[in-house]
Order: sequence, then structure tokens, then C-alpha cells
Amino acid sequence: QKEVEQNSGPLSVPEGAIASLNCTYSDRGSQSFFWYRQYSGKSPELIMSIYSNGDKEDGRFTAQLNKASQYVSLLIRDSQPSDSATYLCAVIVSGSARQLTFGSGTQLTVLP
Amino acid sequence: KAGVTQTPRYLIKTRGQQVTLSCSPISGHRSVSWYQQTPGQGLQFLFEYFSETQRNKGNFPGRFSGRQFSNSRSEMNVSTLELGDSALYLCASSFQLNTEAFFGQGTRLTVV
Repeated sequence: QKEVEQNSGPLSVPEGAIASLNCTYSDRGSQSFFWYRQYSGKSPELIMSIYSNGDKEDGRFTAQLNKASQYVSLLIRDSQPSDSATYLCAVIVSGSARQLTFGSGTQLTVLP
Repeated sequence: KAGVTQTPRYLIKTRGQQVTLSCSPISGHRSVSWYQQTPGQGLQFLFEYFSETQRNKGNFPGRFSGRQFSNSRSEMNVSTLELGDSALYLCASSFQLNTEAFFGQGTRLTVV
């Protein structure tokens, strides 16, 4: 089982819709969770971080964390074509080898 | 505030050669991590440095090495290059270990 799993997609949504991206992780002791956006040919850009159960909102983005179920999600409201990118979920796994571990990413396309 | 700077941006090397990549973190950040990104494997953790000490290492052969200097700048070295080392190498800096990581533009290495 991979430590961080994402639906690879591709996920397509119409402009103005809500895009929902999901991520599950295997290490129950993980405490820090991040969402990165990566445009084609570019490096990952941090868009959200979340550390506690519940929702965290930043503009059109909402991160949701449920540690009991070991999943973290990202909602993008009023999706725009400029949101078309690969979204990477990252988790700092616990234990002696704490490191930032990435999922394989979900490719999102927002259709005009 | 300047971001993470990686040099060079592009590099073409021949099999068997060695290469050194450089990373200057965000001012005040003391942790530098390196990642390899390929289409097939995604983002793979190479190693993390903090205060000139390697704190964590991923599952890569010994041909991959790195170091960090007293000004937090870091270099990674790959010796005896193989075709499979062709990838985007990304450096990320963090204020402390295991906190939000911000990526540089990456170095695109092509081994021929």
C-alpha cells in the first residue's frame, strides 16, 4: 500500500463548478498535510496546509482533514480554466524517518 | 523576499559523467530537501539537510549525495550518471524541519 494515495484522474469539471480532490494516507500518526499545485513544466506550488481535523478555507480553496478516516481533501469553488493543473497531496509521515511524502497527483482540467 | 533558487535550470550530460546541482533556500530557512520527479515515479524524496547535517535520506543509491553549507545553501551530486537519472530535480526549503516546504524552479537533467 502506498503511503499517500490519490485518484490520478484525469478529473474534468466545467467552469464555475466545484472540483473535489481526494487523498488518503496510511500513517495514522501523520500530523501535517499539504496541497500543492503543479502546472505542466513548472515546479510544485504550495496552496494549502492543514494540521487539525475539520475545514480550512483560503479564498476559493477549502482543505478538509479527517484523521480518523485518514483522508484529506481539497475543494476548489468556482473553478476557473487557470486552475487546470496537477494537484499533489503531501503528508509528513511520522516515525524516525519523518519526511514529506507525495501522492502521485490528480490532473484537473477545468473546461470553459 | 526572494524564493528558492536552483542552478542551473537545464543540463545535458553524458552517461558516466557526474553532475552537481545547486540550491539557495529562502532567506532564513534552514532546511533544504531534494526531490527527483519523473513521469513514471512522481516526486521521490532524495534527502533533507538541516544545519549542515543530513537528517533524512530516501531510497536512492549512493551515487546520489548532497551537502549543506553554513549559509544553508545546498548542493547535490550525482556520480556515474545513468540514462534513468534523467529527471526534474527539485529543491525545497523550509524554515524548520517538517514544516511547509517551498520549491525552486527545478533543474531539468537529461542524460544521453
